[in-house]
Amino acid sequence: EADIYQTPRYLVIGTGKKITLECSQTMGHDKMYWYQQDPGMELHLIHYSYGVNSTEKGDLSSESTVSRIRTEHFPLTLESARPSHTSQYLCASSVAVNYGYTFGSGTRLTVV
Amino acid sequence: TQLLEQSPQFLSIQEGENLTVYCNSSSVFSSLQWYRQEPGEGPVLLVTVVTGGEVKKLKRLTFQFGDARKDSSLHITAAQPGDTGLYLCAGSQGAQKLVFGQGTRLTINP
Repeated sequence: EADIYQTPRYLVIGTGKKITLECSQTMGHDKMYWYQQDPGMELHLIHYSYGVNSTEKGDLSSESTVSRIRTEHFPLTLESARPSHTSQYLCASSVAVNYGYTFGSGTRLTVV
Repeated sequence: TQLLEQSPQFLSIQEGENLTVYCNSSSVFSSLQWYRQEPGEGPVLLVTVVTGGEVKKLKRLTFQFGDARKDSSLHITAAQPGDTGLYLCAGSQGAQKLVFGQGTRLTINP
């Protein structure tokens, strides 16, 4: 049973729409991460958080924003979606990096 | 510049063959992890190695951490179609996030 949940699994939306990708974990992990990944390709870190009210930008420049108001919840928002945002978005959490990450199943976003 | 270089990037072999995937860096890591990702899913942690020279076995998979903690290898014996997937190595340097390699796409043909 998954301890980290991402919704929706698939999303097709029109250009210019505002969207929020949801990520929730039940493990009480302080550290959470968002990655962007094209199919079968490498992971690109776009945002991360060390705990409540802490957010940082990752290595890949992104037009998205995140918030961390509760430990278990780390949503990602795109104010105005574009076709270049089409990708898979993966959320992960960790108690400590040496213990590894637990990933969600991802959201496959298509912007038309 | 990729901090963790994986090789090969693509590998396609027949069922029953053996294979090795490498993860190399010029930097020292406090731990190194291997993940497997199947299409449409998130990566799943297979193993963490923390001690230089450490060897861990997971059924037909053998993981090794280099003595200097700069590299690692994953060896699969008698590969099966169920081993097909994207294999990712990731290293920790004591910071708050992992560094991922670019991945090795493995296909095992029946």
